[in-house]
Amino acid sequence: DVKVTQSSRYLVKRTGEKVFLECVQDMDHENMFWYRQDPGLGLRLIYFSYDVKMKEKGDIPEGYSVSREKKERFSLILESASTNQTSMYLCASSLAGGYNQPQHFGDGTRLSIL
Amino acid sequence: TQLLEQSPQFLSIQEGENLTVYCNSSSVFSSLQWYRQEPGEGPVLLVTVVTGGEVKKLKRLTFQFGDARKDSSLHITAAQPGDTGLYLCGMNTGFQKLVFGTGTRLLVSP
Repeated sequence: DVKVTQSSRYLVKRTGEKVFLECVQDMDHENMFWYRQDPGLGLRLIYFSYDVKMKEKGDIPEGYSVSREKKERFSLILESASTNQTSMYLCASSLAGGYNQPQHFGDGTRLSIL
Repeated sequence: TQLLEQSPQFLSIQEGENLTVYCNSSSVFSSLQWYRQEPGEGPVLLVTVVTGGEVKKLKRLTFQFGDARKDSSLHITAAQPGDTGLYLCGMNTGFQKLVFGTGTRLLVSP
């Protein structure tokens, strides 16, 4: 089974801090994704990466950046955390090739910015 | 950004009842995926529908893709408490990305 592991289940940080969320997958997937999940808004794509060192903005990239130095690891960075970035963050991975590959999700990081 | 609307937002039913969840867009989908997310976990893929008019069954769950490929439905027969969760539809936009709907939160009580 595909395993997508997010480094923290819960994280509390202060406004203005630089925050790193880490995600690792063990199935050699080319694609990796970062979403945020808010009640009533579903999952919204922040960034995605289709290869090492490659990244594309999703629907809500403002205030975030990403890093993919190795194929298995995709990091989400909040450059200067703000309270409106309090949310559940989900990482996912999928194989490349075709449009119907399933996305495999981690269990999420619930981030609170105080 | 393409919009994907799900209805209802919330559903609270008794064990044994039937229910239907809808997913609609003004755009044509190339394909659509349904996921279920249980509390404390990430979403897990239930099914992918690709062809207009397609019907897929997964035990008590029946998934339908509209003929025009702009809508989809999920019907659960004789719901059980284990069906409780957040149901998400995801529209394939090409480029191997999905646009997700707002979700339907289902609670099935014994």
